Amino acid sequence: EPEVTQTPSHQVTQMGQEVILRCVPISNHLYFYWYRQILGQKVEFLVSFYNNEISEKSEIFDDQFSVERPDGSNFTLKIRSTKLEDSAMYFCASRGGLETLYFGPGTRLLVL
Amino acid sequence: SQKIEQNSEALNIQEGKTATLTCNYTNYSPAYLQWYRQDPGRGPVFLLLIRENEKEKRKERLKVTFDTTLKQSLFHITASQPADSATYLCALRDAGNMLTFGGGTRLMVKP
Repeated sequence: EPEVTQTPSHQVTQMGQEVILRCVPISNHLYFYWYRQILGQKVEFLVSFYNNEISEKSEIFDDQFSVERPDGSNFTLKIRSTKLEDSAMYFCASRGGLETLYFGPGTRLLVL
Repeated sequence: SQKIEQNSEALNIQEGKTATLTCNYTNYSPAYLQWYRQDPGRGPVFLLLIRENEKEKRKERLKVTFDTTLKQSLFHITASQPADSATYLCALRDAGNMLTFGGGTRLMVKP
């Protein structure tokens, strides 16, 4: 069964550093998402991406964040200058024509 | 403001019993509601979607009801098993068209 994959599984970085989280969505899906989950808290929407542009973004997704689909398979989330409060699990998700989201296993980001 | 509320307290039940989880929402007029399962350290996994014109939906041991008057969905797991232990999330598409999750309810099924 096709699945969403994410790399790396864990990332430790110093405050102020840039990180890039990578995702490979399911191949025939058209809609892509990033969510995050701070430890013990709810899954929060960050951004959705369709037709090579951002379609929705939340208040969390400020100028420090950017997304890109550099080729036909990868979907990336970049955090330009990480802050301590960016420490969280970051989940990529994709969907096809139906409403169901398929989530990846997540990247655990720790900012020191 | 829009809210999705799930019981934040863990639900502990005995194996074989029926687990019932509640999702209440305010200031939404959803065309459908979704339920996901999340295991520790893993991404949510889709379970069921129920549309506003459906009162009930079943999938194997799972049953979901949707009452748009009460603004509530109930999620039932019959003949529960220890493997059903997880956090269960309900999700709605909000005014901005983003799929928004409730805080989830942790279910613990004891053998």
